[in-house]
Amino acid sequence: QVQLVQSGAEVKKPGASVKVSCKASGYTFTSYDINWVRQATGQGLEWMGWMDPNSDNTGYAQKFQGRVTMTRNTSISTAYMELSSLRSEDTAVYYCARGDSSGWDLWGQGTLVTVSP
Amino acid sequence: QSALTQPPSASGSPGQSVTISCTGTSSDVGGYNYVSWYQQHPGKAPKLMIYEVSKRPSGVPDRFSGSKSGNTASLTVSGLQAEDEADYYCSSYAGSNLEVFGTGTKVTVL
Repeated sequence: QVQLVQSGAEVKKPGASVKVSCKASGYTFTSYDINWVRQATGQGLEWMGWMDPNSDNTGYAQKFQGRVTMTRNTSISTAYMELSSLRSEDTAVYYCARGDSSGWDLWGQGTLVTVSP
Repeated sequence: QSALTQPPSASGSPGQSVTISCTGTSSDVGGYNYVSWYQQHPGKAPKLMIYEVSKRPSGVPDRFSGSKSGNTASLTVSGLQAEDEADYYCSSYAGSNLEVFGTGTKVTVL
């Protein structure tokens, strides 16, 4: 079954870091880019960045430059998104999505990250 | 990178058509034929409905169509059905391996 399965919900304190995983199955992990998108409660979608699992190349939205790191472990077909220096405004559902500029056709189920003192 | 502009809401009766606009600039929507549209139901992950301006992924009904003119892309849903009630987001390639989403439109089926 072709799917992306993300790690479970996280609760973090302000200033901490969070690392969300996204495990791919049913397709060749290194053949498609992985993008990360977040959505605060009741708000719109926000693109954070992308990673090419084959080359390890990455690209980040300017807003997250310096705070986000996207990595992968090809041996277990898993992508990771780490966000540091968390603040309350980072409370959101974080999604991984497969694809490139031609569209993201496969999405993870989402991971809720709550930042609270 | 500013978000693309969409109307907050749109509505139509069953069987009617609704069109959602997505306005950007020559650096994103107007500069590339890489506009996608996503449907999102409450509590669910987004679903790709249109890619590369007007192409439909397998399984998406042909009631959904996309187009672009200048810096504005559009999604039209014809023959509205109750299950089309959802939030819709456009996205566009913005050069330099960057992407940007629209502000989102809530479609209501009256």
